[in-house]
Amino acid sequence: AQSVTQLDSHVSVSEGTPVLLRCNYSSSYSPSLFWYVQHPNKGLQLLLKYTSAATLVKGINGFEAEFKKSETSFHLTKPSAHMSDAAEYFCVVSALNQAGTALIFGKGTTLSVSS
Amino acid sequence: DTAVSQTPKYLVTQMGNDKSIKCEQNLGHDTMYWYKQDSKKFLKIMFSYNNKELIINETVPNRFSPKSPDKAHLNLHINSLELGDSAVYFCASSQPSGRFVEQYFGPGTRLTVT
Repeated sequence: AQSVTQLDSHVSVSEGTPVLLRCNYSSSYSPSLFWYVQHPNKGLQLLLKYTSAATLVKGINGFEAEFKKSETSFHLTKPSAHMSDAAEYFCVVSALNQAGTALIFGKGTTLSVSS
Repeated sequence: DTAVSQTPKYLVTQMGNDKSIKCEQNLGHDTMYWYKQDSKKFLKIMFSYNNKELIINETVPNRFSPKSPDKAHLNLHINSLELGDSAVYFCASSQPSGRFVEQYFGPGTRLTVT
């Protein structure tokens, strides 16, 4: 079965410092992985996705993630945090079975950015 | 232009009532979904429709019934509302259905049952 585990429920950084949000996955086949962001009282926006084309994936707003099969990880990083990055971040794996496709969400990491 | 829209944005109702949430997408996608986000922000799929046909129906009480009048719309009807139904409900769509394809989410409907 497909699953993801987000290792930190809350991460706090100062503006201008690097961001690291950690995610491990479990998959019985080559996974398709995503990071989504949810700003307060807003919908979900796709940050980036991994589909096996390249292990380092660049997304919007300066975020990137690296797929490491040996570590079953897909951590999200950003070199320099901005106040507007404060939000809830979800690591997601796509599960495909005979019934169709479902996104399996991690429990989320709350990113706080202080000035 | 809003890609995936939901109405209403907020819904407050009493236990035992019946309510509907509407979803529309203008992306031309064939597949639409409903997800539920609980008070701890955990998101879980409820239903998936492909071209008006139900293809995923997770363990959801049969008080919840999705209806797809056409491939651009997927509505969620909830009978006999209970306190535990309070959550944020998200509609999403994708084209086509496949594990490498991202899903586009609506803004969510916050349902509060009192």
